[in-house]
Amino acid sequence: GEDVEQSLFLSVREGDSSVINCTYTDSSSTYLYWYKQEPGAGLQLLTYIFSNMDMKQDQRLTVLLNKKDKHLSLRIADTQTGDSAIYFCAESIIAGNNRKLIWGLGTSLAVNP
Amino acid sequence: GAVVSQHPSWVICKSGTSVKIECRSLDFQATTMFWYRQFPKQSLMLMATSNEGSKATYEQGVEKDKFLINHASLTLSTLTVTSAHPEDSSFYICSARDGAPSQETQYFGPGTRLLVL
Repeated sequence: GEDVEQSLFLSVREGDSSVINCTYTDSSSTYLYWYKQEPGAGLQLLTYIFSNMDMKQDQRLTVLLNKKDKHLSLRIADTQTGDSAIYFCAESIIAGNNRKLIWGLGTSLAVNP
Repeated sequence: GAVVSQHPSWVICKSGTSVKIECRSLDFQATTMFWYRQFPKQSLMLMATSNEGSKATYEQGVEKDKFLINHASLTLSTLTVTSAHPEDSSFYICSARDGAPSQETQYFGPGTRLLVL
């Protein structure tokens, strides 16, 4: 079945890089996403990558995709305290006549000063 | 661009009443909208997928008579929690996607926190 897995917690020091990892199972995924959720708030789209790409860079964010291993990672350079949040990995799959997102449980990132 | 709003942002109601939550796409036409619920410290659970002008597709285990979804226009979908009970208390989040075949990205509303007493 469809499944997306992430580690639940990550703690880094301010200024260091953070790497959040995600694995997925559905090989028909077209897009893979990273969303950020701050406490009590909705979800903010951070970045996404199309399945035929290996890497995407957007300012401090770098997404790496290893399609063979079904492994996705998000690297945040120069992590700041404002980056503390829950980061969700999601894959877009075909479901009947629609597409839907399959979500990981989220990685809680704590940034220590 | 791609802003989605929800109203209300939070609501407290008595058990047995019905609550309506609105989801609007402000600067694009959303042919498809999604309704999720999220329990504390958990991931999002897809409740239903709503296409404009047609009946919503509910996920397994979601009662369609309890969670009524209407997607009457390209910018508005509503979720009505009928005869709400305390176990319906949750964070409800909608998302919207425009109709372009190449556009799969979902944009999320800020969520509605429902507390049923």
